[in-house]
Amino acid sequence: SQKIEQNSEALNIQEGKTATLTCNYTNYSPAYLQWYRQDPGRGPVFLLLIRENEKEKRKERLKVTFDTTLKQSLFHITASQPADSATYLCALGYSSASKIIFGSGTRLSIRP
Amino acid sequence: NAGVTQTPKFQVLKTGQSMTLQCAQDMNHNSMYWYRQDPGMGLRLIYYSASEGTTDKGEVPNGYNVSRLNKREFSLRLESAAPSQTSVYFCASSEAGGLSTDTQYFGPGTRLTVL
Repeated sequence: SQKIEQNSEALNIQEGKTATLTCNYTNYSPAYLQWYRQDPGRGPVFLLLIRENEKEKRKERLKVTFDTTLKQSLFHITASQPADSATYLCALGYSSASKIIFGSGTRLSIRP
Repeated sequence: NAGVTQTPKFQVLKTGQSMTLQCAQDMNHNSMYWYRQDPGMGLRLIYYSASEGTTDKGEVPNGYNVSRLNKREFSLRLESAAPSQTSVYFCASSEAGGLSTDTQYFGPGTRLTVL
């Protein structure tokens, strides 16, 4: 079965640095990949989507890459701020199977 | 716009009791979803409704039933609750019909404990 791996341990970053989160998957490449942010006690909030034929997507301080050869997506937050502290989830979409699979998320802490 | 709303926010059940989790969206979205989130497991899809009048099983449907009452509302029912169903339940919706690449908008969640 398809599996998604995200950093299980929390990531602690100094304010102002670039935070990089990874999302690795096994077996079949998805048609698209999404990243969500989740704050404690809240539902996930969509951030970015990248399709299988795209290498990179940017939105303000966020950047996502998608490497189907490595079966990996990287999520970058540049000039990180304490307000960026949250759990970040990746989700893989398989159009043909009508399926979306979420990773368990990586908790990011930005210290002042 | 309230977006996606869920009731109740918290619930404690005894094993064997039944309950219905309610979800409504005011964005005129076609698709609606129910997920459960457990520590270390990520979000897992229970059921989804690609359009009004249709429902389909997701990854973990056993022990649950759903009803797409109308375009706005999608309810999740536990007929006989079990401790393994202790979890946080999220409802979500997306604009397009089908399980598409559209953004999913999530509700605030229902925290359910089954004793």
